[in-house]
Amino acid sequence: DVVLTQTPSTLSATIGQSVSISCRSSQSLLDSAGNTYLYWYLQRPGQSPQLLIYLVSNLGSGVPNRFSGSGSGTDFTLKISGVEAEDLGVYYCMQATHAPYTFGAGTKLELK
Amino acid sequence: QVTLKESGPGILQPSQTLSLTCSFSGFSLSTYGMCVGWIRQSSGKGLEWLANIWWNDDKYYNPSLKNRLTISKDTSNNQAFLKITNMDTADTATYYCARIDYYVMDAWGQGASVTVSS
Repeated sequence: DVVLTQTPSTLSATIGQSVSISCRSSQSLLDSAGNTYLYWYLQRPGQSPQLLIYLVSNLGSGVPNRFSGSGSGTDFTLKISGVEAEDLGVYYCMQATHAPYTFGAGTKLELK
Repeated sequence: QVTLKESGPGILQPSQTLSLTCSFSGFSLSTYGMCVGWIRQSSGKGLEWLANIWWNDDKYYNPSLKNRLTISKDTSNNQAFLKITNMDTADTATYYCARIDYYVMDAWGQGASVTVSS
């Protein structure tokens, strides 16, 4: 199975600060058709995960544009440009290029 | 508006079979490219994908549990189902269903908590 390694595991930020989360894959997530099935989700406390970014860099419906995704191959990054209080929770990357789908262990974003 | 809601027994004993239902609205599982997946979350193993069922009835399972899983759907009633046989305490988790719209898992249910205990 593909292993996704997220760093850091915990991130402390102040409101307005810009932060980045890394997701590194044990295999390239580029498929033979040129697609990269890498996604980012946010799970707020007591809620189910919600889609932020799909296919590396595409913003999910209704997601604020302070969120952005980038990367290729095995290295991916989620950036939040100006953290807001509603952004607190656990962030997960997920890959669907290789079966079975797998998730990273999560990055907890908390207030400093 | 897309919504999904999981339902299940809450508690069951080891060796029993878990039956989960995902009731959804706002989309149809007969639409080309549409899929419903099941994912579980436990404190010990994090998020774990279990199975998918596609609009054309193609089914995919996580090999680590494949022999224990059965996914199915009732398109006319907007429901999907997951059965897991031979449940163990290690299967205690919150079970989610999610919509996958042509490879984008874009909506999740609220989750159903399942505890396996004797």
